[in-house]
Amino acid sequence: SQTIHQWPATLVQPVGSPLSLECTVEGTSNPNLYWYRQAAGRGLQLLFYSVGIGQISSEVPQNLSASRPQDRQFILSSKKLLLSDSGFYLCAWSVLWGIYSTEAFFGQGTRLTVV
Amino acid sequence: AQSVTQLDSQVPVFEEAPVELRCNYSSSVSVYLFWYVQYPNQGLQLLLKYLSGSTLVKGINGFEAEFNKSQTSFHLRKPSVHISDTAEYFCAVSVVSAGAQKLVFGQGTRLTINP
Repeated sequence: SQTIHQWPATLVQPVGSPLSLECTVEGTSNPNLYWYRQAAGRGLQLLFYSVGIGQISSEVPQNLSASRPQDRQFILSSKKLLLSDSGFYLCAWSVLWGIYSTEAFFGQGTRLTVV
Repeated sequence: AQSVTQLDSQVPVFEEAPVELRCNYSSSVSVYLFWYVQYPNQGLQLLLKYLSGSTLVKGINGFEAEFNKSQTSFHLRKPSVHISDTAEYFCAVSVVSAGAQKLVFGQGTRLTINP
């Protein structure tokens, strides 16, 4: 069965420090991978998605970047965190079957607090 | 551009009462629709999905939703709620384009069940 791992679960970082959040998927090949952010009391905002190794699409301009060094690994990074980067970050994956879309499966999330 | 509107940010309901969480979408192409539930400090769990076929979709935990193309709606319903249904609920539309699938979420509806 497929599983998704996301870590760490919580993180407190000072302003200006770097960030690296990692997500890995098991039990599937060539998934679409996503990073979402959920700010307090708000919905989910799609930050990045990837359809393959090294292929990253950014949805909104921001202080963050993403990379996909392996088929089932997705990393969210920042060189210098801002207070506004605080939030709940969720990694997700999905698989396309031809033109049909399957649902996305989510990790347990990382709560990032920038102080 | 595709978008999702959840018309109620908060819905308080008494236990064993029926509930409807409203969702409207906008899209110029074929849509795939989803409802997810999020318990505190956790990732999102799929409740149900509409890909094609019957417009009445049944999901887990006794929830169901009806796809209405003419009204561009996908409202979530449950005939009798329990305390354990207290959570945040998200409606999402999936758009497939150029091999990529993107989920666009609504702002969420916080369902609170009162005894």
